Amino acid sequence: DTAVSQTPKYLVTQMGNDKSIKCEQNLGHDTMYWYKQDSKKFLKIMFSYNNKELIINETVPNRFSPKSPDKAHLNLHINSLELGDSAVYFCASSQAAGTSYEQYFGPGTRLTVT
Amino acid sequence: AQSVAQPEDQVNVAEGNPLTVKCTYSVSGNPYLFWYVQYPNRGLQFLLKYITGDNLVKGSYGFEAEFNKSQTSFHLKKPSALVSDSALYFCAVRHGAGGYNKLIFGAGTRLAVHP
Repeated sequence: DTAVSQTPKYLVTQMGNDKSIKCEQNLGHDTMYWYKQDSKKFLKIMFSYNNKELIINETVPNRFSPKSPDKAHLNLHINSLELGDSAVYFCASSQAAGTSYEQYFGPGTRLTVT
Repeated sequence: AQSVAQPEDQVNVAEGNPLTVKCTYSVSGNPYLFWYVQYPNRGLQFLLKYITGDNLVKGSYGFEAEFNKSQTSFHLKKPSALVSDSALYFCAVRHGAGGYNKLIFGAGTRLAVHP
């Protein structure tokens, strides 16, 4: 019973290609997130959706487009991949309301752009 | 602006000794603070949080953290370290209210526990 799952785990592709990463959570959470972890392990939020509505967009290049078909899924599509996009991308989810604000993370997708 | 600092890139501890991983924060309003652990090639796992109440918060795997408002700190502690505790530890502060729930992470501290 994986709580937050991501596919694929590894993604190797060439510059200029378009790729997608998928995320699903079975925790019944309302809010989902995408984070990017760079080579120095620094974590930064990219996007957040609450009940399929975009609520956080952290000045990410518009080559990155998140899509949430329903509140259990949040996908990330990346156009025209660049070398600098190489990173580990983490999906996370949380309850938006109440006192339980912790986020639960997926296992990550390691993207390598060559 | 909300921010988190983890002043140590790495902490080295002998197995069985107490460990402390430091975190200081800067927030406007009440701080909501978190610790996460990341094992190699894995996602982040939630350890514990401070929202309100007792300054000493207990979490998973025997970890605890002490909230100190005057020093704006939230240090992670464990009385007796295990080799299996070796991992990357992140402190985070929550920014926002209601559905606007963004975590701002520190740079991470690598904990190495030696046998």
